[in-house]
Amino acid sequence: TQLLEQSPQFLSIQEGENLTVYCNSSSVFSSLQWYRQEPGEGPVLLVTVVTGGEVKKLKRLTFQFGDARKDSSLHITAAQPGDTGLYLCAGFPNTGNQFYFGTGTSLTVIP
Amino acid sequence: EAGVAQSPRYKIIEKRQSVAFWCNPISGHATLYWYQQILGQGPKLLIQFQNNGVVDDSQLPKDRFSAERLKGVDSTLKIQPAKLEDSAVYLCASEGGSNTGELFFGEGSRLTVL
Repeated sequence: TQLLEQSPQFLSIQEGENLTVYCNSSSVFSSLQWYRQEPGEGPVLLVTVVTGGEVKKLKRLTFQFGDARKDSSLHITAAQPGDTGLYLCAGFPNTGNQFYFGTGTSLTVIP
Repeated sequence: EAGVAQSPRYKIIEKRQSVAFWCNPISGHATLYWYQQILGQGPKLLIQFQNNGVVDDSQLPKDRFSAERLKGVDSTLKIQPAKLEDSAVYLCASEGGSNTGELFFGEGSRLTVL
């Protein structure tokens, strides 16, 4: 069983559309991160959220940490082909000593 | 600042053969991780080092996988003997202990077991 479940697993959209990716768990996290991974590369950190209810914006990307710190979402506005990649959430449990990665969401933005 | 270096980038072996992967983390980063990533899935932690000590190796299949970080800098991950299900990308990451807890990943080593 995975500690963090992401949905959807795959997403293919047209350029200009909006989308939301979800990261859910039954565990409470002291912090949660979102990474993007392009083919043939390692994941690269996009954002870290640490406070329940926190919202962070990074250009067209909006990240939200759930009030109970058990879930998070990533919203992309007006997607572009450059947004294509594997999006990974990673949570640091309250009682843990490492980050656990989610199952991943593979996004394809079609020009 | 140089990133995390890994080699080889690609390796093809037959089952029951052995393979070794090398990682050089970012200079000064005390924490080093090895992850296994099956195509299209999230990385799964194999082992975590703090300097040259093992912090967590609970998910490392110890009957066939081994890892070391003898001088607290470079690390090697070895698989012997390899199985078909070991085909994956092996990612090395390092962490510098900043408040953000950001992991810096290498490009990975893609293993294909035939």
